[in-house]
Amino acid sequence: QLVLTQSPSASASLGASVKLTCTLSSGHSNYAIAWHQQQPEKGPRYLMKVKSDGSHSKGDGIPDRFSGSSSGAERYLTISSLQSEDEADYYCHTWDTDIHVFGGGTKLTVL
Amino acid sequence: EVQLLESGGGLVQPGGSLRLSCAASGFTFSSYAMSWVRQAPGKGLEWVSGTSGRGDYTYYADSVKGRFTISRDSSKNTLYLQMNSLRAEDTAVYFCAKSPTPSTVTNFDYWGQGTLVTVSS
Repeated sequence: QLVLTQSPSASASLGASVKLTCTLSSGHSNYAIAWHQQQPEKGPRYLMKVKSDGSHSKGDGIPDRFSGSSSGAERYLTISSLQSEDEADYYCHTWDTDIHVFGGGTKLTVL
Repeated sequence: EVQLLESGGGLVQPGGSLRLSCAASGFTFSSYAMSWVRQAPGKGLEWVSGTSGRGDYTYYADSVKGRFTISRDSSKNTLYLQMNSLRAEDTAVYFCAKSPTPSTVTNFDYWGQGTLVTVSS
């Protein structure tokens, strides 16, 4: 069964970096995923697609502070030089034929 | 600039029906697959349904199969979701989302702001 697992929460200080993790279920370590950001009371915003080889392609207007990487079944989103507006929920998403799965989301707090 | 604007949400009784619309602009609507994704209050995202750019393929989550119907009108650049036999658990904000691919629903590269559907007596 295709499942994505995320930690419910993360925190980091203003100006620091944070690395969020999304883990693919067993047997699906070659799947690409996408990261989406959802600020409070807003619709989600596409950040990037991350492939199993670690390559990533960002959405329109996404700052260089956001980057993606991979290791095995884990997909990462790294945000550097944290700003207050980065405080949001971050969801990973993957897909197969007729199936779409979201992780439970990570709530990022900027201290 | 890509824009997706949902409408049609509201309060409906259990067993009732509602039709959501998503007006698209800023891209060639018929060239891209589109989806509906929902978010129950305080919960995460759940994909509901998708359709190919030409509307010839449609896909549904098991939770809505047989009750919801997705469609699109390229002459109006609008995506629809007809929701029948609504249940309390369908209460959510419904987002319209665009895929970067024409035939199959893959990633979502643009999202709307959502429309709230409340199913309650």
